[in-house]
Amino acid sequence: QVQLLESGPGLVKPSQTLSLTCTVSGGSMRSGNYYWTWIRQHPGKGLEWIGYINYSGDTNYKPSLKSLATISIDTSKKELSLTLTSVTAADTAIYYCARISGTWFDPWGPGIAVTVSS
Amino acid sequence: QSVLTQTPSVSGAPGQRVTISCTGSSSNIGAGFGVNWYQQLPGTAPKILIYGNNIRPSGVPDRFSASKSGTSASLAITGLQAEDEADYYCQSSDSSLSGLYVFGSGTKVTVL
Repeated sequence: QVQLLESGPGLVKPSQTLSLTCTVSGGSMRSGNYYWTWIRQHPGKGLEWIGYINYSGDTNYKPSLKSLATISIDTSKKELSLTLTSVTAADTAIYYCARISGTWFDPWGPGIAVTVSS
Repeated sequence: QSVLTQTPSVSGAPGQRVTISCTGSSSNIGAGFGVNWYQQLPGTAPKILIYGNNIRPSGVPDRFSASKSGTSASLAITGLQAEDEADYYCQSSDSSLSGLYVFGSGTKVTVL
């Protein structure tokens, strides 16, 4: 059974770059049927899709985040990464990685809380 | 601001039936894209509850059901139980500049 686990810094200073990693266990990332995605949840708010990547490295981002977010994949390490540049307080959120099955997200990692503050 | 609109909160006594609505538009639900539902228990990640409009994954109790019509969808919980107290989100695909995947604003279900 596939499991995902996010890792990275819990605190990032404004204007810096946020880098998160998602480690996949219990399955292969190479299947063409699955895409891998990042989703975030602002404190006390709803869910926001950030973007996805497939095992070939094809990506798709939410248009409003396209210039700031980069998603990459290393199938040999079974890792998915998210880089967010020039962060502001508005990027404070819980960040989740998930697998896309069809058009839904399953499973999800437990999430990692990131605070942007000086 | 979420692309899909949900009632902020619903409540019911144990054993009752509650419904959660999810209203979209012609660029998402109304365009024929499927609707998926997630349950988020306090302090945990969302978990898939319903996919493809009305399909329950293995392990999801049959007291959860969902439907879709036009630009809206709904999730019903029959025989409400204390463990159902959680946030529920709908999700669909979208063909506008909102992004490929969009979520509802979330509904807090409270068991009285």
